[in-house]
Amino acid sequence: SQKIEQNSEALNIQEGKTATLTCNYTNYSPAYLQWYRQDPGRGPVFLLLIRENEKEKRKERLKVTFDTTLKQSLFHITASQPADSATYLCALGHGSSNTGKLIFGQGTTLQVKP
Amino acid sequence: DADVTQTPRNRITKTGKRIMLECSQTKGHDRMYWYRQDPGLGLRLIYYSFDVKDINKGEISDGYSVSRQAQAKFSLSLESAIPNQTALYFCATSDEDGTGTQYFGPGTRLLVL
Repeated sequence: SQKIEQNSEALNIQEGKTATLTCNYTNYSPAYLQWYRQDPGRGPVFLLLIRENEKEKRKERLKVTFDTTLKQSLFHITASQPADSATYLCALGHGSSNTGKLIFGQGTTLQVKP
Repeated sequence: DADVTQTPRNRITKTGKRIMLECSQTKGHDRMYWYRQDPGLGLRLIYYSFDVKDINKGEISDGYSVSRQAQAKFSLSLESAIPNQTALYFCATSDEDGTGTQYFGPGTRLLVL
């Protein structure tokens, strides 16, 4: 069955460092991959999308890579700040049928310490 | 979050009761979704709807039903609530732009005693 794995252990880093979160998947060939941010008690908020034919995408301090051979995406936050502390979810989408359905990972909690 | 609203935000109910969670959106999207979120399990899709006349089951639809009253409204019902339906429930919408990007409501925290 399709499976998405994100590191369930919280990631603790010091302010100013680069945070790197991992999303691995099996038994799936996504057309695109998305990353969302979720704050406690709130709904997820879309951050970035990367398509299967793209290797890297950047937005401000965020960078996402997508390796369809390794079946892995890395999500980087450079110059991290305490305000970046949140849970980050990856989600896979199958675009061939354009169903719009996403499969979500369980999320990784990032804690940035001042 | 203001574009997608959910009511109630919190609900406590008893086993066996029927309850309804409501979702409204002003984004003009045709596609709407209901998820539940449990610690360590992530978001799991309950039902989704691509337009008013289209309703589809997700991966965990047993014990739930939905109603798409209008493009802007999508309700989730628990026919006979049970304690393992205690969870955080999210409604989401998406456009038909090929990206699948979803816009979530603020969530409803449900406790079934």
